[in-house]
Amino acid sequence: AQTVTQSQPEMSVQEAETVTLSCTYDTSESDYYLFWYKQPPSRQMILVIRQEAYKQQNATENRFSVNFQKAAKSFSLKISDSQLGDAAMYFCAYRSPSTGTASKLTFGTGTRLQVTL
Amino acid sequence: GAVVSQHPSWVICKSGTSVKIECRSLDFQATTMFWYRQFPKQSLMLMATSNEGSKATYEQGVEKDKFLINHASLTLSTLTVTSAHPEDSSFYICSARRPLATGELFFGEGSRLTVL
Repeated sequence: AQTVTQSQPEMSVQEAETVTLSCTYDTSESDYYLFWYKQPPSRQMILVIRQEAYKQQNATENRFSVNFQKAAKSFSLKISDSQLGDAAMYFCAYRSPSTGTASKLTFGTGTRLQVTL
Repeated sequence: GAVVSQHPSWVICKSGTSVKIECRSLDFQATTMFWYRQFPKQSLMLMATSNEGSKATYEQGVEKDKFLINHASLTLSTLTVTSAHPEDSSFYICSARRPLATGELFFGEGSRLTVL
C-alpha cells in the first residue's frame, strides 16, 4: 500500500518570503500522480498543483512549484512571495493511475502553514 | 464555481437518528465518488469508494451498515449515517472524479455533523 509522509506539522513564513513544504511517499508503482491540496479555514479542499510521475519537469503554477525527485520519492512544495491568503493546511496526496476504486487519493497528515506580517 | 456540491454543509441531530448527506457533481458525470472523514486537525481518511450502479467499496474498519452509501446516478452519491452516535460527529467530505484515467478529483465543500 502507498503511504504519504509529511514531517512538518507546522510551518511559518513571513509575507513575501519563500517557504518549502516537505513530502515523501512510498510506492512500488512506476507511474502515478502526486498532488498538493490546500485546505483553508473554510475546509474546502483546493487543488494547488499536480505532478505526473512520468514527467521529469517539475510542475509550476504561478507562485507554487514543486521539486519532484522520483528516485528519492520526494515531492516538496515551494511557495514563493507568500501571501496572507496562503495560510492554510496543506496536504500532499498520491494517486494511482488506475481507474475506479484504485484511483483513490492517499493523503499525508498535513502541514499547517502560518503567514506572518 | 464549485463543480462538486455537498448538502447539507452543517447538520445537528439527536443520538439514534439517521442523517443523509448528498454529494453532487455539477458539470460532469462521475462514475466514481469518494467519501472521506476528517477529525479536527487531522488528515482525510477514506471511508469508501462509491461506484455508480454497484455496491460501494468500504475501507477496512468502516462499518458498511453504519455508513450507507448509494450512488444511484452519475451525478449523485449519498452517505447516510444510521443510528448516529456522538462519536460519529465529524467533518465528512466527498470527492468526484472525472471519468478519465487522468481525471482530476474535485472536492465538495464538506458537511459537519454534530450528534447530540
